[in-house]
Order: sequence, then C-alpha cells, then structure tokens
Amino acid sequence: AQSVAQPEDQVNVAEGNPLTVKCTYSVSGNPYLFWYVQYPNRGLQFLLKYITGDNLVKGSYGFEAEFNKSQTSFHLKKPSALVSDSALYFCAVRTTNTDKLIFGTGTRLQVFP
Amino acid sequence: DTAVSQTPKYLVTQMGNDKSIKCEQNLGHDTMYWYKQDSKKFLKIMFSYNNKELIINETVPNRFSPKSPDKAHLNLHINSLELGDSAVYFCASSQGLISSGNTIYFGEGSWLTVV
Repeated sequence: AQSVAQPEDQVNVAEGNPLTVKCTYSVSGNPYLFWYVQYPNRGLQFLLKYITGDNLVKGSYGFEAEFNKSQTSFHLKKPSALVSDSALYFCAVRTTNTDKLIFGTGTRLQVFP
Repeated sequence: DTAVSQTPKYLVTQMGNDKSIKCEQNLGHDTMYWYKQDSKKFLKIMFSYNNKELIINETVPNRFSPKSPDKAHLNLHINSLELGDSAVYFCASSQGLISSGNTIYFGEGSWLTVV
C-alpha cells in the first residue's frame, strides 16, 4: 500500500540548533514529495517539494529537504531553529498514477528559547 | 488579496442541519480540492475538481456534495449533519494536476462543530 510516515509525533530542539523532521514514504515509481507547515488555527503553508532533479531541495523560511531514494526518505532540515518555527509539519506524497496527495500524521516541532 | 478564501471560518450547527462552505481562489488555478482534517490532525482528501470536472471522489458519505460553478469556486454542501462531521475542512487549489508537478495551496480552513 502506498503510504507516508512521520515516525516522530514531536521533535524538541533548542533555538539556534539544527533541526530535522523525518519522513519516509512508500510509493512505486518516482515519488513527488512535499512538506507543509501548519500554525495553530491556520491553513497549511507550502514549504518545498521534490519532483525531480537535485536531491537537496531548498524552500521557504530557510528550510531544506533531502530526497534519498535508497532510504525512501525526505527529511526536512534547518541549520538553525527559531522559536517561530514551532508548528505542525506535514510530509506528503503523490500516490502513483493518481492525482492524490496523501499526508503523514504530522510532527509537532517545538523550539525552546 | 487572499489566494484561497473560505467562508465561514467557524460554523457551529445542530445535528440534522444542512450547511454549506464556500471557497474561492483568485490564483487563476484550474484544480481545486476539499480536504478534511480530523481532531487528531489527520488530513484526507475528499474531492478534487479540474476545470470544473470531478476527478477525485473519495469514499465520502453521499451527504457531502461538492459543486463547482466555475474554475474559481468550489463549494461544499453537507446534508443531515452528524456529530462525526465535526472537523476542519480545507479548500485548496493548484495550477493544474499534481501529476504535472504542481503545488497545492490551502485556504485557512473552516472549523465545523456539530452539536
């Protein structure tokens, strides 16, 4: 079955430290991968996507993600976390031969001052 | 100049009522979606329209009916509301199909509470 997994419900990091939010996927063929962020009581905001090309994708607000085909992963990273990065992060993947995005269960990022 | 706007943002209604949520996008996109986010923040697609044509219709009760009068609008009508319909409903749009590498942009959500 096609799926996307975010193995951590919550990630805690101190401000200024690097952060990683993990995502793994299971789809056949070439995956289209996305990261979104959701602040409290708000909609989802697009951060970045991988469709093809360079495995390291840079996105909004200093975030980047690395596509790793052998590990079927697409982890979200930022070199230096800000308190304002605290939010709910969703990884999503397009299911093969469809136009559907399926979302992971979300990871809550908490950045402490 | 909101890109994807939904109304109402908050809706509290009684079981058995019929309600609608409206969505408009001013991005000139061809494809629009409705997603549902439950109390555990799980997101699931409900419907998708491309150029006013229904292309995705997930296993959603018949009480939910989308309507796309034109490419810029996708409304969601819900009949005979049940307690389990309480959720946040997100409208979204994309330039074209995701299979073409397009990105989905979400509205701010409509919080539906059925009492």
